[in-house]
Amino acid sequence: GDSVTQMEGPVTLSEEAFLTINCTYTATGYPSLFWYVQYPGEGLQLLLKATKADDKGSNKGFEATYRKETTSFHLEKGSVQVSDSAVYFCALDGGYNKLIFGAGTRLAVHP
Amino acid sequence: GAVVSQHPSRVICKSGTSVKIECRSLDFQATTMFWYRQFPKQSLMLMATSNEGSKATYEQGVEKDKFLINHASLTLSTLTVTSAHPEDSSFYICSARAGEGRYNEQFFGPGTRLTVL
Repeated sequence: GDSVTQMEGPVTLSEEAFLTINCTYTATGYPSLFWYVQYPGEGLQLLLKATKADDKGSNKGFEATYRKETTSFHLEKGSVQVSDSAVYFCALDGGYNKLIFGAGTRLAVHP
Repeated sequence: GAVVSQHPSRVICKSGTSVKIECRSLDFQATTMFWYRQFPKQSLMLMATSNEGSKATYEQGVEKDKFLINHASLTLSTLTVTSAHPEDSSFYICSARAGEGRYNEQFFGPGTRLTVL
């Protein structure tokens, strides 16, 4: 079945460092791909999405490109801030209302 | 974005008792609500999908008699864990979607941590 694998955390970075969180997927066809973020005490929020191969989703300085050749959707940000500390979830649209999530990656950014 | 609340945020109960968790869409009408379960360091797993006024659709392996879902209005869905046991201890998350389109965004609640002693 469809599945999502993302790098284990926690990821600890200094402010202004470059961030990459890896995400790969297994799916039939070419599903839409998503990154969600969960700040402490809050619900998951959609960060960005891509609906077809080679699409780049971007929001708040974060980017991810849908790569069908490597079945990947890695999340990147050029310069992280303390306020980016959160848990990040990669997900795909499994069809029939179903979002399939990765295990989540905790990011901690310190000053 | 739209806001979804859950109540309670944490609950501790004794084995054998039932626990009800509420999920509310605060500023929009949710035609569809979803219930997820998350174990430590693992993915969110979809348990069931509920549409207002109709029976919930459960994912394979989820016991519908144990996890009762009621979507009585366009702003409220409840999940009742009946005869809870320690293995039901988990983090339960709901989400709500406005409109009928499958590509409409899901908005997530902050989750409820259930501990069964």
